[in-house]
Amino acid sequence: GQNIDQPTEMTATEGAIVQINCTYQTSGFNGLFWYQQHAGEAPTFLSYNVLDGLEEKGRFSSFLSRSKGYSYLLLKELQMKDSASYLCAVRDGDYKLSFGAGTTVTVRA
Amino acid sequence: GAVVSQHPSWVICKSGTSVKIECRSLDFQATTMFWYRQFPKQSLMLMATSNEGSKATYEQGVEKDKFLINHASLTLSTLTVTSAHPEDSSFYICSARKMRGSGNQPQHFGDGTRLSIL
Repeated sequence: GQNIDQPTEMTATEGAIVQINCTYQTSGFNGLFWYQQHAGEAPTFLSYNVLDGLEEKGRFSSFLSRSKGYSYLLLKELQMKDSASYLCAVRDGDYKLSFGAGTTVTVRA
Repeated sequence: GAVVSQHPSWVICKSGTSVKIECRSLDFQATTMFWYRQFPKQSLMLMATSNEGSKATYEQGVEKDKFLINHASLTLSTLTVTSAHPEDSSFYICSARKMRGSGNQPQHFGDGTRLSIL
């Protein structure tokens, strides 16, 4: 089975940096994904890690340590539109995704 | 980029009605599609994996006779909620994965279907 943990909520101010941690214990590992989900909408893809290290995509970066079962999503230069739920998801060998409960990020002016 | 279309986006119907939801990959072929359900303030829970030309694989606890899945072509999968009841009210989301050679490709999600059973 899959066990994926991430904080429930985080709050930050506009322009700040926020780091969302995700730890996982899974029966198989074939990549870790981060998705953004606004209320009432479907998730949109943000980043993908399968090897250890940091992947940078504009204001968003994601890090993976497979030996520690740990990942984080880093959001820089926060904007109001970044207020959303951020989902950590682990893919197994059958390409099935298991999602964490999501971290609700609130950006304040 | 890859686009997945899901219809309808919102359904309100009476208890006992069967509801069909369509999931289409618009610009790529998908041998595998996934159906998820999401209750308010909870994460996505995988219901079943839809395989083109074969039977769907259901997750533990999901009734296959209640949630009928048909993946008749490489671009279309349907989920039918049979004899829906108020407890089936939820946000249903499909996703699709590209075919071979797409090991590092993410799943692309449809916009979701909000189902409300009265």
